[in-house]
Parts: sequence; C-alpha cells; structure tokens
Amino acid sequence: KQEVTQIPAALSVPEGENLVLNCSFTDSAIYNLQWFRQDPGKGLTSLLLIQSSQREQTSGRLNASLDKSSGRSTLYIAASQPGDSATYLCAVLIQGAQKLVFGQGTRLTINP
Amino acid sequence: DAGITQSPRYKITETGRQVTLMCHQTWSHSYMFWYRQDLGHGLRLIYYSAAADITDKGEVPDGYVVSRSKTENFPLTLESATRSQTSVYFCASREGTSGYNEQFFGPGTRLTVL
Repeated sequence: KQEVTQIPAALSVPEGENLVLNCSFTDSAIYNLQWFRQDPGKGLTSLLLIQSSQREQTSGRLNASLDKSSGRSTLYIAASQPGDSATYLCAVLIQGAQKLVFGQGTRLTINP
Repeated sequence: DAGITQSPRYKITETGRQVTLMCHQTWSHSYMFWYRQDLGHGLRLIYYSAAADITDKGEVPDGYVVSRSKTENFPLTLESATRSQTSVYFCASREGTSGYNEQFFGPGTRLTVL
C-alpha cells in the first residue's frame, strides 16, 4: 500500500529565507507527483506536477524535484514571503490506480 | 467561468435530512472525485468516477451516494445526514490516468450537521 509522508508537519521561518519541504513515498511505481498549496478555509491549488520520467519542475520561485528510486520529492521555495504561508501537500498518482495518495501536509508560516 | 465549481459553499442541516452537494467542471475531464477533509484525518476519498455512468467507492463511502449522468456534473448525496458527516467536502477533476494530467480542486463546501 502506497504511503506518503511529509516532514516536518509544521515549519516557521523568517521572511527572505530559502526553504525546502520534504515528501517521501513508499512505492516507486507512480505516474506523477503533484504539489498543492492550501490556504486556511480554501481549496487546494495545484503548484507543480512532476511526471515520473522527470527530475524537476520549476514555476517562479518554486522548484520541485523527484527522485523516484529513493521515493523522495522536495519543494524548494526561494526568497520566502509572508504570502507563502499556507499548508503544502504532496500527492502521488499510483500506476494502475485512479486516485491520488496524499501526504498529511506541512504547515508553513513565514514571519515578516 | 472555466474551472470547477461547488455549491452550496456553506450548508447547515439537521440529522436525518437528505443533502446534495453539487460539483460542476467545464473542462470535460473524464475523472471526477469527492473528498472530505477533517482535522487529524487529512483528505479522504469518498467516491470517484472515471466517466459518465461509471462510479466507484473510495476509502469512506458509507452514507454517501453519487451519480454521474453528464460528464461535467458529479453530485454527492448524503441520504440521511449524521453529525459525523460534518466536514469540508472537496470535488476534484482530472483528464485521465497518465503522468501528464494535473488534478484540480473546487473551493469546497463546508457542511455542518446539527
């Protein structure tokens, strides 16, 4: 059974720092990995999708990497801003299945 | 408006009443999903649909009913609401099962069962 783990559960850093959020998964047979952002009381916003054949994807200040063999992904946020404060979730789409498997999320707080 | 919408956004009902949550997407995505999100449990899949008239159970289907007569709509019905079904419900859609397809979520419906 695929399990997705995100550590730490919460992270608080001062504004301007570069930071890394971690995601690990137990089964490497995936189609893709997707990173989402969720603001309090809101839905999930898709940030980045990495296909299983890719090593990384970039969007603005965000960079996501994927190491399928080791079952790990990282989300790098450069020059963090208070507006980046949110919960970040990763999810994997398992080969042969239709549903995403989600991690529990990392709650990120950027302090001005 | 393009995208995925849910209605109502907020709903208060009483135990035993039937409630239907609506979900509509404009992309003609083949897959649609219903999740509930609760503190301590994260996102849990209730039901999903691979196409019109094809639905399947997720992790927590008991007490819920779905239908999908049209590709763009995927309503979720609580046949007899219970307090344990108080939650935030999210609908989502995706084109298919491949490495290229992002999954997109609606804004959610906050349901309170008294």
